[in-house]
Order: sequence, then structure tokens, then C-alpha cells
Amino acid sequence: DADVTQTPRNRITKTGKRIMLECSQTKGHDRMYWYRQDPGLGLRLIYYSFDVKDINKGEISDGYSVSRQAQAKFSLSLESAIPNQTALYFCATSLGTEAFFGQGTRLTVV
Amino acid sequence: AQSVAQPEDQVNVAEGNPLTVKCTYSVSGNPYLFWYVQYPNRGLQFLLKYITGDNLVKGSYGFEAEFNKSQTSFHLKKPSALVSDSALYFCAVRESYNTDKLIFGTGTRLQVFP
Repeated sequence: DADVTQTPRNRITKTGKRIMLECSQTKGHDRMYWYRQDPGLGLRLIYYSFDVKDINKGEISDGYSVSRQAQAKFSLSLESAIPNQTALYFCATSLGTEAFFGQGTRLTVV
Repeated sequence: AQSVAQPEDQVNVAEGNPLTVKCTYSVSGNPYLFWYVQYPNRGLQFLLKYITGDNLVKGSYGFEAEFNKSQTSFHLKKPSALVSDSALYFCAVRESYNTDKLIFGTGTRLQVFP
């Protein structure tokens, strides 16, 4: 089983819909992250959390929100999806140095 | 602000030949540098890191990277490329000393031809 699991793996949604991407981890790490990958832009940080009660904005947080329900769970929500949020989304965990990534969620907003 | 640059969108190399994927960085203070690889339909996998110590860092799958402070570079290398090394490679730098937020480069696609 994967250490960092993202659901769903693929999703197509309509403009204006609310959608939640979920991430769970079995690594026991406190630090969790949501990144977005776009071709030619690399990965950009959306939100991160160092603890269950800690939520921090990354460089591109507008249009997104997160919830850290437990140490092992960190979900990303798009309150009202728009087409330019079409991207590959990655959850990651860290113990302080290297990060461990999930397999990604490919989101298409039509 | 910390940043990394990967000047090549794509690198092509014949199987068995040495490969180099370039990365340069800009940081204030000591750099914490990383290489990750992304295979098709997969998440990013950690390859290696430089925190301190020897300038030549060895990592997974036979890869290594050379830290060069004077040239502010952290190039990824492998002595003999395999077709299975074909993937997207990302260089990253830690944003600052007291955080493990990563700043990623734009990625370099490595294509190894038989």
C-alpha cells in the first residue's frame, strides 16, 4: 500500500462546482502539503500544515481551502471550480528534510 | 527569495552514455538542495539531497549530483543511462533554513534512446 494516498486519482468537474481532494498518509509525519503541477511551471505550493491545528497559505492559495482533520488526513477543496484550476494536484508529507508524494489527482474543470 | 532554474526543457541521451541534467540555484544562506523524479502517471520520488558535507552526493537508481558552490549549481548525473531512466526530473531548494517548504524548478524531461 502507498504511504501517501490521494483520492480520487482522476476527476472531471464542471465550472462552479465544489470539489474536495483527499489525502491520507501512513508515514506518521506531522507536516503535510498540497502542490499543484502545471506543464512548464513545475510544482507550486498551495497550502501546508505542520500540525493538526496549523494551516498556512502557500504561494497560490486563492480559490482553494484546506482542512487538516487528523495527523494523517489533509484535504484540499475548490469552493467554486474554474477551468484554470485544471491541473495535476499532489499531496506530500515530510518529517523535516525530503518530502514524500502521493500519486497525484488529475483534475479537469470543464 | 530562493529559486532554482533548470535551463533545459528536455535532454536526450543514448542508452549507455553518461547523462547530466542541469540545475542552478539562488539562495541566501546555505542551500538545501533536492532532486526528484516523476515517472508517467506517478508521483514524485525522492532521488537525493545535499544538506552539507561532500560535494558529490549519491542517490537512488545510480544517480549522483555534484554541488558546486562557486557556480551555484547542483547538476544530476549518471555514468550510464538506461531507457528506464526516461522521466521528468525536478530540482528543488528548501525555502529557508527553518522550513521544509520546497521551491521547485520547472522540470527537465529526460529521454534515453535505445
